[in-house]
Amino acid sequence: AQTVTQSQPEMSVQEAETVTLSCTYDTSESDYYLFWYKQPPSRQMILVIRQEAYKQQNATENRFSVNFQKAAKSFSLKISDSQLGDAAMYFCAYRSALNNAGNMLTFGGGTRLMVKP
Amino acid sequence: DVKVTQSSRYLVKRTGEKVFLECVQDMDHENMFWYRQDPGLGLRLIYFSYDVKMKEKGDIPEGYSVSREKKERFSLILESASTNQTSMYLCASSLFLGLAGGNYEQYFGPGTRLTVT
Repeated sequence: AQTVTQSQPEMSVQEAETVTLSCTYDTSESDYYLFWYKQPPSRQMILVIRQEAYKQQNATENRFSVNFQKAAKSFSLKISDSQLGDAAMYFCAYRSALNNAGNMLTFGGGTRLMVKP
Repeated sequence: DVKVTQSSRYLVKRTGEKVFLECVQDMDHENMFWYRQDPGLGLRLIYFSYDVKMKEKGDIPEGYSVSREKKERFSLILESASTNQTSMYLCASSLFLGLAGGNYEQYFGPGTRLTVT
């Protein structure tokens, strides 16, 4: 079974600075998807960024980018120019690329990001 | 926009009561999921459904059951609520991976915070 580990329960960053959230995962599969989800306080969880394992290029979405290290099984999220609205719980998640893999996401324990003005 | 709604944001029930949590999605998604979110544990899958009347157990199905009579609606049932089921419950939906491919994403509802006393 796959596992996802987020080793930083809490992080803080100064507004306008850059912060990196860590995620490692364990799998024996070669093809899979990785995700970062954001859960703002009292609001719905939304997808921030996704990465397909067969793609070597790191995904980017505006101020959000990932550092995907397949051999190291590492998938960190970098937030540039942090804004107050970035304060949230961030979850790393894994999904097998197999169609019959149960359609499930495996989540890490989450990292609470605080942004200081 | 995809919309996933849950019947209640907050719910307080007594030990032994039968509890129904309802989830509705409006995007004609095949897959629907129920997760439980607890601090430090991230999200854990309780059950998922890939079609009407079809269901599969997730990681923590004990004490729960589900019902999917219509494609847009997925219900989570606590047959006899216990205090250790006090938690945040999140519903999600998605297309089949085979249809979504590289754009695979699970869409989440706002969550139901259940307290069992």
